[in-house]
Amino acid sequence: GQQVMQIPQYQHVQEGEDFTTYCNSSTTLSNIQWYKQRPGGHPVFLIQLVKSGEVKKQKRLTFQFGEAKKNSSLHITATQTTDVGTYFCAFSGAGSYQLTFGKGTKLSVIP
Amino acid sequence: EPEVTQTPSHQVTQMGQEVILRCVPISNHLYFYWYRQILGQKVEFLVSFYNNEISEKSEIFDDQFSVERPDGSNFTLKIRSTKLEDSAMYFCASREVPNYGYTFGSGTRLTVV
Repeated sequence: GQQVMQIPQYQHVQEGEDFTTYCNSSTTLSNIQWYKQRPGGHPVFLIQLVKSGEVKKQKRLTFQFGEAKKNSSLHITATQTTDVGTYFCAFSGAGSYQLTFGKGTKLSVIP
Repeated sequence: EPEVTQTPSHQVTQMGQEVILRCVPISNHLYFYWYRQILGQKVEFLVSFYNNEISEKSEIFDDQFSVERPDGSNFTLKIRSTKLEDSAMYFCASREVPNYGYTFGSGTRLTVV
């Protein structure tokens, strides 16, 4: 079935550095969602992107959906220790409401 | 902020035993889901439930699994005869409308010994 590839799998950054995670699909996606999971926690919904080329911002987080709707990215400016966790992209296929998650990018922030 | 509540937070069971995981979705949500996450891995879909019936299920959700909404507020996942490989974190999720983000519960860690 449809899958998404997330890269990188792990990222260690110094506090204050920027961070980007990428989500790539070989097929067109109808939508993409992003979730954050803190260590030992549960996934928390961040945002949904639906339109081609869409860009949305939440404070230091910038989310993009590619023009071809086959890739997406999450960029964090000036990371803080509170940004630590695993960031997952997820999508629902045509005619389905179930979410398929990527494997996630685990972010560590060194103070 | 409304929450999805799951109990218990941790369940240890012997292989072959039945377990019931409980969830109370957000009250005005209509779509309910169970997902699981094996330690360190991605979140996997098990089943979706709408209008008192299963709407979709994955290959993981075999005859050993069942879901119920017994009383209009609780949403349960039953595993009839647990196997070692059922050990995972089980997340309940709900949402008000079908094409938006989920609210996940804090999960039940199931350990089968």
